[in-house]
Parts: sequence; structure tokens; C-alpha cells
Amino acid sequence: GEDVEQSLFLSVREGDSSVINCTYTDSSSTYLYWYKQEPGAGLQLLTYIFSNMDMKQDQRLTVLLNKKDKHLSLRIADTQTGDSAIYFCAAYNQAGTALIFGKGTTLSVSS
Amino acid sequence: GAGVSQTPSNKVTEKGKYVELRCDPISGHTALYWYRQSLGQGPEFLIYFQGTGAADDSGLPNDRFFAVRPEGSVSTLKIQRTERGDSAVYLCASSSGLADEQFFGPGTRLTVL
Repeated sequence: GEDVEQSLFLSVREGDSSVINCTYTDSSSTYLYWYKQEPGAGLQLLTYIFSNMDMKQDQRLTVLLNKKDKHLSLRIADTQTGDSAIYFCAAYNQAGTALIFGKGTTLSVSS
Repeated sequence: GAGVSQTPSNKVTEKGKYVELRCDPISGHTALYWYRQSLGQGPEFLIYFQGTGAADDSGLPNDRFFAVRPEGSVSTLKIQRTERGDSAVYLCASSSGLADEQFFGPGTRLTVL
């Protein structure tokens, strides 16, 4: 079945760019997703990319998809302290009935 | 409603008791999902409803867990004979259809003493 892996921690300074990486095993998901979870809060859909695209830009967020290597990344430009959170990448299983999540990358932004 | 809502936000129970967790999805969303998130982990799939029927319940860990969605809207996750290992945040999500983007509720934090 689908498996999603992420690096667990990333620490950056305010104003720097952050890059969070993710690899997945099953390429049947039509979309790949990035969710953000702040302490004590639910999951917020941040952005997503259609599996036939290489890149999607949305304000400070850039998603890159390398389908050949099954690698997804999320770049946050000009990272702010408010970006401190856990970021999850997710892809649907083959049946399209469940999102499979990575363990999450904790982003820590220092001023 | 505007988003997915879940009640209660916190539930503390004793080992062996029965609990019910409720999810109210976004109005008009036919797909509803339950996930469980343990500390330091990503959400893990439990069950998926399309309308009133459980289309995929392969994530339910054992027969102590059961979920219903009798009218195709509100869903209840039921856990019998709770164990300490059931302690987690239970998340509900809904989407407009199969394999569409999912919107999550705030979760119910279940603590089994």
C-alpha cells in the first residue's frame, strides 16, 4: 500500500526559505496534498498539486513534484514565526478512499 | 455549517467504558472519513463513508470500533470496552466526493485512564 515519508524536523530563521521534503510509494493519487497543523488545532489544507504538474506556486508557497522519483517538496519563502507548525504531506491510497499521511515535519522558526 | 465540527472536544473515560464521538460534516459533502492521530504521528485512516454506507472500513483496528452515518450526514464513531491504547485524537473529515480534497474538523481528544 501507499507509504509516505518525511523528514521530522526543520529549523530556520525568520526571513529564510524553508523546504520540506516528502517521498511516497504509490503514484496513483491524482492529487498530492500539504496540510498544516498548529499546536492543539486541527489539520488545515495548505495547498495541493495535480499529479500531472511539476510545480505549483501560491503566494509564498511553491510545491515541486518529481513524479519519476516520487518526491514532493514544499517551499515556504520568507518564513515567518507564524509558519511554525507541523506540516504533513498526504496522498490517496489506490482505491481513493483514504489519505495516507507522513509522520509530519515540525518546522521551527526563530526570530 | 461552515466547517466540519466534532463533539466533544475532549473526552476522558475509564478503561472498559463505552464512548461515542460525533462528527458533523460540511453540508452537502457525501464523503466522510474518520482518522486517529497518536502523539508524534500523522493521522491514520479508520473508515470512509460514501453517503450512508461504510465503503471502506479497513482501518478499524478491531471489532471494538464501529461507526455509523444513518442519514448520510452526521456520523458517530463508537468504541466499546475502551483500552488505554485507544487514547488519541480522533479526527473527522469530509469531502464532496471520492478522492477529493478533505476538510478536517478540530478533533476529539480521547483519554482512557
